[in-house]
Amino acid sequence: LAKTTQPISMDSYEGQEVNITCSHNNIATNDYITWYQQFPSQGPRFIIQGYKTKVTNEVASLFIPADRKSSTLSLPRVSLSDTAVYYCLVGDMSGNTPLVFGKGTRLSVIA
Amino acid sequence: DAGITQSPRYKITETGRQVTLMCHQTWSHSYMFWYRQDLGHGLRLIYYSAAADITDKGEVPDGYVVSRSKTENFPLTLESATRSQTSVYFCASKISGNTIYFGEGSWLTVV
Repeated sequence: LAKTTQPISMDSYEGQEVNITCSHNNIATNDYITWYQQFPSQGPRFIIQGYKTKVTNEVASLFIPADRKSSTLSLPRVSLSDTAVYYCLVGDMSGNTPLVFGKGTRLSVIA
Repeated sequence: DAGITQSPRYKITETGRQVTLMCHQTWSHSYMFWYRQDLGHGLRLIYYSAAADITDKGEVPDGYVVSRSKTENFPLTLESATRSQTSVYFCASKISGNTIYFGEGSWLTVV
């Protein structure tokens, strides 16, 4: 299983762009990178997923360099409601790999 | 969305008692998972199942038993509850790939 490493916590002011980087040095060729968001007292929810280069949706962008050994989740103009824990996972799309969550990054957005 | 439901949502039990946490999903997803999340920590995988009658251990399976006689149900049993099993338990499911859908969680306190 590809292991991921993320910063434990980050702080940001409202309106700023936040970039959370995840390291996954032993990512396999068939692995995709997926990010989840978890609010207090709730289960995590899917944010974004990618394989290489850049992926963007209405919530975030995901940047993946050519070597794929890391990825960066970018949240544009964060608000207080973006305060949550963000998890980076890697796994192949076959679904055979059980998804293991790390400790995630606790983002605190300050007014 | 209420596609995956957990019960009970809150439970207090005594050390040594058997406790079963229920998980039901209405999507007919093949894969189901049980995670635990201790206060202030990330998610740890307890058991997972790729299909009915197929289960596998995750990161922290000791002290837990699962079964999957029907695709839609994946109960988790603590055969003899210990205080260290006080936690929030999340059930999750997916069809394939890395997009997992989580339940709302079951808060278990062992006294």
